[in-house]
Amino acid sequence: DQQVKQNSPSLSVQEGRISILNCDYTNSMFDYFLWYKKYPAEGPTFLISISSIKDKNEDGRFTVFLNKSAKHLSLHIVPSQPGDSAVYFCAASAGGGADGLTFGKGTHLIIQP
Amino acid sequence: ETGVTQTPRHLVMGMTNKKSLKCEQHLGHNAMYWYKQSAKKPLELMFVYNFKEQTENNSVPSRFSPECPNSSHLFLHLHTLQPEDSALYLCASSQDLTDNYGYTFGSGTRLTVV
Repeated sequence: DQQVKQNSPSLSVQEGRISILNCDYTNSMFDYFLWYKKYPAEGPTFLISISSIKDKNEDGRFTVFLNKSAKHLSLHIVPSQPGDSAVYFCAASAGGGADGLTFGKGTHLIIQP
Repeated sequence: ETGVTQTPRHLVMGMTNKKSLKCEQHLGHNAMYWYKQSAKKPLELMFVYNFKEQTENNSVPSRFSPECPNSSHLFLHLHTLQPEDSALYLCASSQDLTDNYGYTFGSGTRLTVV
């Protein structure tokens, strides 16, 4: 059973608009959430994270929102740029990370010119 | 050379072959990980090493055998694999097990079992 779910395999957004990627989780022990970005033929790279004690974290064009009651988080990218086209993975950890990160399946974001 | 380096980038092997995947990091990290990414599936954690000691084995079949001779090197020895083992195998490292945002991934080894 997947503990981290990304239900949209792909998302197409026009350049300059807002991209919203969603992620749901089932494990209430998760207390740290991360987004990774992956280009073809490269490994995932860390993008942004949020602790469960916060509901929002912002870094430039990227903002992550956490709704603990709904067990839902989202990544907002605004404005979207062509270089943002990649696969985005949601990940979560519990208890200090000793069990590693649990990843979702990823969402392929395509930014259209 | 910096970052996490994985070799080979691509590997095709028969079901009776024995091969090894190599991962090397020059970041001074103490924790290293093997992940498996199959088509249309999440990244699956396989093994975790912390200061060369294995701390996690996520019910991985014995045909996958990890080895961590030191904190900079991690191997995944493969033998008698099945076609369903074909996947992208990713190595990652972090400063330690609590360094959640510090994972650095390699580019992966694309494995095809024929």
